[in-house]
Amino acid sequence: EADIYQTPRYLVIGTGKKITLECSQTMGHDKMYWYQQDPGMELHLIHYSYGVNSTEKGDLSSESTVSRIRTEHFPLTLESARPSHTSQYLCASSALTGITGELFFGEGSRLTVL
Amino acid sequence: SQQGEEDPQALSIQEGENATMNCSYKTSINNLQWYRQNSGRGLVHLILIRSNEREKHSGRLRVTLDTSKKSSSLLITASRAADTASYFCATDGTSGSRLTFGEGTQLTVNP
Repeated sequence: EADIYQTPRYLVIGTGKKITLECSQTMGHDKMYWYQQDPGMELHLIHYSYGVNSTEKGDLSSESTVSRIRTEHFPLTLESARPSHTSQYLCASSALTGITGELFFGEGSRLTVL
Repeated sequence: SQQGEEDPQALSIQEGENATMNCSYKTSINNLQWYRQNSGRGLVHLILIRSNEREKHSGRLRVTLDTSKKSSSLLITASRAADTASYFCATDGTSGSRLTFGEGTQLTVNP
């Protein structure tokens, strides 16, 4: 069982609200990632971080932002949620430097914006 | 366009049968990984095969890699109803350490 946790698991909010999806891992991994996944579809990388104070945008453009102030914590924030943000958001981490090794995933946060 | 594409998109078999899923990719890789996702859950790593390896086994899983054809296959032998899930391949590319996932194969194993 991976030691990576996401909260909330499910969130239903109205348009225009600010939300933060939390992701924490206790494995001491330097690399962390946020993927967006619509039901039955592929995963798209939206943000990643290689360590504290390092964040980069992924392959899929996203209006969300992330921060990495502590190694174990990688929250994702939407300042003003819209129905188009409805999706599942998956957080992951990995240990190896250089070549990518195994990713450990959280259980996901399913966001519904009304 | 996607780095990894799985085939078939959906597969339905009976318990005890073997299930084969294929993955094709476009650029050179350091390694290729397979993940499993139960409905509504996160992904779980199954197996990693490096670019200099041709075949790898883990329990009932067998993965092959053909870098000349830029393709991989995942074989699940003696399938069980509990194997019902989506299976994704993921590649890293040689330029960096970010994984790109394919669209996945939805496997249904009927009891």
